[in-house]
Amino acid sequence: KQEVTQIPAALSVPEGENLVLNCSFTDSAIYNLQWFRQDPGKGLTSLLLIQSSQREQTSGRLNASLDKSSGRSTLYIAASQPGDSATYLCAALIQGAQKLVFGQGTRLTINP
Amino acid sequence: GAVVSQHPSWVICKSGTSVKIECRSLDFQATTMFWYRQFPKQSLMLMATSNEGSKATYEQGVEKDKFLINHASLTLSTLTVTSAHPEDSSFYICSASPFRGEGADTQYFGPGTRLTVL
Repeated sequence: KQEVTQIPAALSVPEGENLVLNCSFTDSAIYNLQWFRQDPGKGLTSLLLIQSSQREQTSGRLNASLDKSSGRSTLYIAASQPGDSATYLCAALIQGAQKLVFGQGTRLTINP
Repeated sequence: GAVVSQHPSWVICKSGTSVKIECRSLDFQATTMFWYRQFPKQSLMLMATSNEGSKATYEQGVEKDKFLINHASLTLSTLTVTSAHPEDSSFYICSASPFRGEGADTQYFGPGTRLTVL
């Protein structure tokens, strides 16, 4: 059974810092891995999607990497801003099924 | 493009009543729709997957008679929580994909519905 874990559960940093959020998964047989943003009481916004054959994806200040062999993905946020404050979720799409398995999320707070 | 809406955005009901939540794809045809539940400060848990015109596939531990899912058209899926109890209070999120099978990795998420059962 695929399990997805995110560390840390919460992170608070001053504005302007670069930071890394971690995601690990137990079964390397994934189709892809996605990072989402969720604001309080809201739905999910997809940030980056990395196919299993890829190693990283970039969008603006965000960079996500994927290492299938070690079961790890990281989300790098450069020059953090207060508007980046949200919960960040990673999710692995299980190969052979349509199921997205989510991590518990990292609640990020960027202090002005 | 690729907008998914949910209605209502929040609902409060009495224990024992039934509540229907709608999920609509506004600008694409959703071959596959997914329903998730999220408890406070916890992650999303997949409840069921539905393909248009077919019966929903429920995840282990999800009562199909309690959580009725209907996906009668390519733009609408409904989740009915029957005989709701306080423990059903949660945030319900749907997602929709224009694809079926492994192509369904492209999922567009709705804004969620907050259900509170008194």
